[in-house]
Amino acid sequence: AQSVTQPDIHITVSEGASLELRCNYSYGATPYLFWYVQSPGQGLQLLLKYFSGDTLVQGIKGFEAEFKRSQSSFNLRKPSVHWSDAAEYFCAVGASGSNNNDMRFGAGTRLTVKP
Amino acid sequence: DAMVIQNPRYQVTQFGKPVTLSCSQTLNHNVMYWYQQKSSQAPKLLFHYYDKDFNNEADTPDNFQSRRPNTSFCFLDIRSPGLGDAAMYLCATSRERGYTYEQYFGPGTRLTVT
Repeated sequence: AQSVTQPDIHITVSEGASLELRCNYSYGATPYLFWYVQSPGQGLQLLLKYFSGDTLVQGIKGFEAEFKRSQSSFNLRKPSVHWSDAAEYFCAVGASGSNNNDMRFGAGTRLTVKP
Repeated sequence: DAMVIQNPRYQVTQFGKPVTLSCSQTLNHNVMYWYQQKSSQAPKLLFHYYDKDFNNEADTPDNFQSRRPNTSFCFLDIRSPGLGDAAMYLCATSRERGYTYEQYFGPGTRLTVT
């Protein structure tokens, strides 16, 4: 079965600094990969997704992620963090070729932004 | 705006007292999901409805049930809540099944069991 690991439970960055959130997945075939953001008191919002094709995907709010099959990774990046980016970020993986929605989430990385 | 609404946002219930959480959607999506998210953990899928077709995850306890009386509404019933059921419960919808269809999440209901 597919699984996701987010090694960093909590990350703190200064406003304006660059950001990289790590995500490692485990799945034998080509995975479907997602990044979601959850602001305090809000539901999850999809930032971006990767299914196939270009391994660098662009998302909303200035985020991007790169799929690296050799490293089983799908790290999320942003060149300059804004205070409003403080939130919980979840990486998720789905099973390719499946018609269901058995999507497995990582445990999340909480991002704190220092002024 | 089309959205996924969950009521109430905060729910306190007593140990063993049945509780129902509500989810409604204005997106007219075919699929509705319920996730359980415990503190500092990943959301875990409990079950989903594809139209009226109920799909239970294999490890979802029998204590959790769901109803979908129409396209717009879906309910999560916890028959006898235990302390371990305290969590955030997230409702989500998608137009169809399959990962190409984005899931839209509600804000969640935080359940406390006393």
